[in-house]
Amino acid sequence: GAVVSQHPSRVICKSGTSVKIECRSLDFQATTMFWYRQFPKQSLMLMATSNEGSKATYEQGVEKDKFLINHASLTLSTLTVTSAHPEDSSFYICSASWLAGGLNSYEQYFGPGTRLTVT
Amino acid sequence: AQSVTQLDSQVPVFEEAPVELRCNYSSSVSVYLFWYVQYPNQGLQLLLKYLSGSTLVESINGFEAEFNKSQTSFHLRKPSVHISDTAEYFCAVSESNDYKLSFGAGTTVTVRA
Repeated sequence: GAVVSQHPSRVICKSGTSVKIECRSLDFQATTMFWYRQFPKQSLMLMATSNEGSKATYEQGVEKDKFLINHASLTLSTLTVTSAHPEDSSFYICSASWLAGGLNSYEQYFGPGTRLTVT
Repeated sequence: AQSVTQLDSQVPVFEEAPVELRCNYSSSVSVYLFWYVQYPNQGLQLLLKYLSGSTLVESINGFEAEFNKSQTSFHLRKPSVHISDTAEYFCAVSESNDYKLSFGAGTTVTVRA
């Protein structure tokens, strides 16, 4: 159980275009989803936290107008990189959790990641 | 806010030898601790976790970690590694009043025959 998928797994786009990445919880309802960015050989950096039906909370230094997050249902969150540039090239990973209370609320289940390359 | 320090960026080890990956954290409140493993070009997989109860936690593939509150540590150990254990290992912590995870910088484990 607790499977999270991401689509696409890899995407190459031209500079100036927008790219949408989907994150789905396949066998549970995710009240909260998290979006991370990982540079080569580095750790994960939290970009934003999204709760179903409300606006995402962005971490300091993350441009909310550039990285649009939508969490319209309990099983789907999307990250749209708008007007992408080469410096946006990275590995984007989502995670999902079910904040129903209790200790298990602190567990996050991670997707396999999306490799974005902007040319 | 919490922070996580993984003291070793790279750990080369021979097959069947033991390995220890160090993780220390700082926090002013109670914490929950996690170890994740990441294979090349893949997402993170939960290796083991400490939420409550016994301070020694084990994974199904032979790893174990011990939560030491006085030393604020959560070191990961395996008594005998396999080639397939070659991966990046991340220690992560969340505070009891926040669901966000903070990750350490990661430790690259390379197992050689």
